[in-house]
Amino acid sequence: AQKITQTQPGMFVQEKEAVTLDCTYDTSDQSYGLFWYKQPSSGEMIFLIYQGSYDEQNATEGRYSLNFQKARKSANLVISASQLGDSAMYFCAMREGNFGNEKLTFGTGTRLTIIP
Amino acid sequence: NAGVTQTPKFQVLKTGQSMTLQCAQDMNHEYMSWYRQDPGMGLRLIHYSVGAGITDQGEVPNGYNVSRSTTEDFPLRLLSAAPSQTSVYFCASSYSGGEMETQYFGPGTRLLVL
Repeated sequence: AQKITQTQPGMFVQEKEAVTLDCTYDTSDQSYGLFWYKQPSSGEMIFLIYQGSYDEQNATEGRYSLNFQKARKSANLVISASQLGDSAMYFCAMREGNFGNEKLTFGTGTRLTIIP
Repeated sequence: NAGVTQTPKFQVLKTGQSMTLQCAQDMNHEYMSWYRQDPGMGLRLIHYSVGAGITDQGEVPNGYNVSRSTTEDFPLRLLSAAPSQTSVYFCASSYSGGEMETQYFGPGTRLLVL
């Protein structure tokens, strides 16, 4: 079974609109962490946001927020007021256990295209 | 700081050839990892290390060897390249000090095996 599932292979969003990228996860650990990364066409992996399993509040970083629904095992990324520079691949990833960020499990990614 | 550096950026190999992908970091991170990225499959963990002298296998270790003799370096060796190893390889490092410490990724090495 997939540990990280991203069901949207591609999305097209009008500039300045908000966009939600879906991520569901599967783990039996009580302690885990969820990450979102952005990969622009240049290829580098850019860290966006982190949510710990015990965090009671949704994480936010500027225009990025993480809609964490623990009971549903979902960790959707919300980008507010999208910009042309947001066009990229987006990956959801999970760390299982308290520590050990040396071994993340990644989803297959969502390609986001922002339309002017 | 240079962060995580990888060499070469691009490499073409013939089936059966060997090579080493180099990875170095200057952030004094204990943790280092190698991933491969294939179209439609996201990143998959090959090998990882939690410190000098300590390595372990990830999800897809077959055909690859690693060693970690120093904190800074974590080379990935392909002993006998196969076309199935055509991929983009990313090295990453992270600090062990906290749960929200992200992995810092290198720029990647694009490998083509003919």
